[in-house]
Amino acid sequence: EVKLLESGGGLVQPGGSLRLSCAASGFTFTDFYMSWIRQPPGKAPEWLGVIRNKANGYTTEYNPSVKGRFTISRDNTQNILYLQMNTLRAEDTAIYYCAKGYYGYNHDYWGQGVMVTVSS
Amino acid sequence: DIVMTQGVLPNPVPSGESASITCRSSKSLVYKDGKTYLNWFLQRPGQSPQLLTYWMSTRASGVSDRFSGSGSGTYFTLKISRVRAEDAGVYYCQQVREYPLTFGSGTKLEIK
Repeated sequence: EVKLLESGGGLVQPGGSLRLSCAASGFTFTDFYMSWIRQPPGKAPEWLGVIRNKANGYTTEYNPSVKGRFTISRDNTQNILYLQMNTLRAEDTAIYYCAKGYYGYNHDYWGQGVMVTVSS
Repeated sequence: DIVMTQGVLPNPVPSGESASITCRSSKSLVYKDGKTYLNWFLQRPGQSPQLLTYWMSTRASGVSDRFSGSGSGTYFTLKISRVRAEDAGVYYCQQVREYPLTFGSGTKLEIK
């Protein structure tokens, strides 16, 4: 059974940093693209970025809205996906999801999400 | 960025009836491989989004055949046949044709 479990969320002050983790199980982690997607309360999801699979060199792509502030990485020995978030702003407040990509960007499994609140 | 525009449903939809949700993209989602890179998701209240269809019309694993996706390069429809209470929630389309991947604003389905 595929499972994705995010952690690391919480309350952070504007300008602060946070690192989210997503523990993956139930599939061969290195075979799949993994994305981070966020959703402000009551709004539509926003794709943040992707880290590709082993076959594609674990390269990354980012949404310009977060490029330069957010970094996606993966630990392929422990099957963990990360999202490092720096210089956080109030508008970064959202539920953050990790999602597995079927044939790349078809997000077929999502975690339960973790809340990040940026406020003073 | 590709803008995804979703239609509004005349809610609530009576149980057992059909519902069609529309989505329009600002650019063609057809790639040179012939596939149309459009996903549909359902987000039930308090839950994570669930993939319903990808490549415009391919149902995801375990998804009921009451859900069917169709369309052209820029206009798409998700049809739900014989709606049931469990189909209630917000439906999102997403283009995965080019970066950044973008979602529509969502279409709410209520069941009567």
